[in-house]
Amino acid sequence: KQEVTQIPAALSVPEGENLVLNCSFTDSAIYNLQWFRQDPGKGLTSLLLIQSSQREQTSGRLNASLDKSSGRSTLYIAASQPGDSATYLCAVSNWGAQKLVFGQGTRLTINP
Amino acid sequence: NAGVTQTPKFQVLKTGQSMTLQCAQDMNHNSMYWYRQDPGMGLRLIYYSASEGTTDKGEVPNGYNVSRLNKREFSLRLESAAPSQTSVYFCASIPGAQETQYFGPGTRLLVL
Repeated sequence: KQEVTQIPAALSVPEGENLVLNCSFTDSAIYNLQWFRQDPGKGLTSLLLIQSSQREQTSGRLNASLDKSSGRSTLYIAASQPGDSATYLCAVSNWGAQKLVFGQGTRLTINP
Repeated sequence: NAGVTQTPKFQVLKTGQSMTLQCAQDMNHNSMYWYRQDPGMGLRLIYYSASEGTTDKGEVPNGYNVSRLNKREFSLRLESAAPSQTSVYFCASIPGAQETQYFGPGTRLLVL
């Protein structure tokens, strides 16, 4: 059974810092991995999707990497801003399944 | 496009009452999903529908039923609500296999 873990559960950093969020998964036979953002009281918004054949994806100040062999992904946020404050969730999809397995999320606070 | 819409936004039920959560998407997506989100647990899949006319159980289906009414609509029914079903429920849809999921804004359910 696939399990996804995100550490830390919460992170607080000053504005302007570069930071890394971590995601690990137990079954390396994934089809893709996605990072989502969730603002308080809102739904999830997709940030980046990495196919299993890819090593990384970039969108603006965000960069996500994938290492299937070690079962890890990182989300790198450059030059953090208070507007980046949200909960970030990673989710994996396994081969043959159209279902996502989510981590518990990392609640990020960027302090002005 | 409205994307994925959910009704109601908030509901309070008494133990034993029944209700149906509605979800609709106007993006002509094939697959639709119902998740629940509990504090510290991430999102867990309740049911999903890979295409119109099909439904399958997810990780936590007990106490729920679903109906894929047509390609646009996917409803979740609680026949006899229990306090353990207090949660935030999210509906999502996906255009094709292994693509990113689009989420609705959520329904907050409190069962007393």
